Amino acid sequence: KQEVTQIPAALSVPEGENLVLNCSFTDSAIYNLQWFRQDPGKGLTSLLLIQSSQREQTSGRLNASLDKSSGRSTLYIAASQPGDSATYLCAVRSYSGAGSYQLTFGKGTKLSVIP
Amino acid sequence: ETGVTQTPRHLVMGMTNKKSLKCEQHLGHNAMYWYKQSAKKPLELMFVYSLEERVENNSVPSRFSPECPNSSHLFLHLHTLQPEDSALYLCASSQGTGPGNEQFFGPGTRLTVL
Repeated sequence: KQEVTQIPAALSVPEGENLVLNCSFTDSAIYNLQWFRQDPGKGLTSLLLIQSSQREQTSGRLNASLDKSSGRSTLYIAASQPGDSATYLCAVRSYSGAGSYQLTFGKGTKLSVIP
Repeated sequence: ETGVTQTPRHLVMGMTNKKSLKCEQHLGHNAMYWYKQSAKKPLELMFVYSLEERVENNSVPSRFSPECPNSSHLFLHLHTLQPEDSALYLCASSQGTGPGNEQFFGPGTRLTVL
């Protein structure tokens, strides 16, 4: 059974710092990995999707890397801003049987960027 | 907004009540999903519908009953719930259920069972 772990569970940084969020998964047979952002009490917004054949994806100040063989991904946020404060979720897509491909989520990292 | 809407946004119900959650997607997708997000736990997939047929049911108690009348609408009918069912219920949709299909999420319904 696929399990996804995110470290740290919470992180507080001063504005302007660069930071790294970590995600690990137990089964390397994944199709892709996705990073989401969730604001309090709200749904998920997709940030980056990395296919299993890719090593990284970039969008603005965000860069996500994937090392499929070691079961790890990192989300790098450059020059953090208070508006980046949210919970960041990592999810991997794996085959779950009967032609279905499930997303398995981590518990998330709650980020607070202090002005 | 993501193109996936959910109503109501907040719901408080007693254990003997019957209520329904509604999800609507405006993206022309063929697959829809219900997820449960409890405090301190990862999102858990509950149900998957593809072209209005249920293709996955992840051992969800029968007090949760999904309904997908067409590819744009998904309901979750609730009856005789327990306090531990209090959670954020998220709906998502995707073009298909294959591995390359990105899921788009709604804002969720915050459910409290008294």
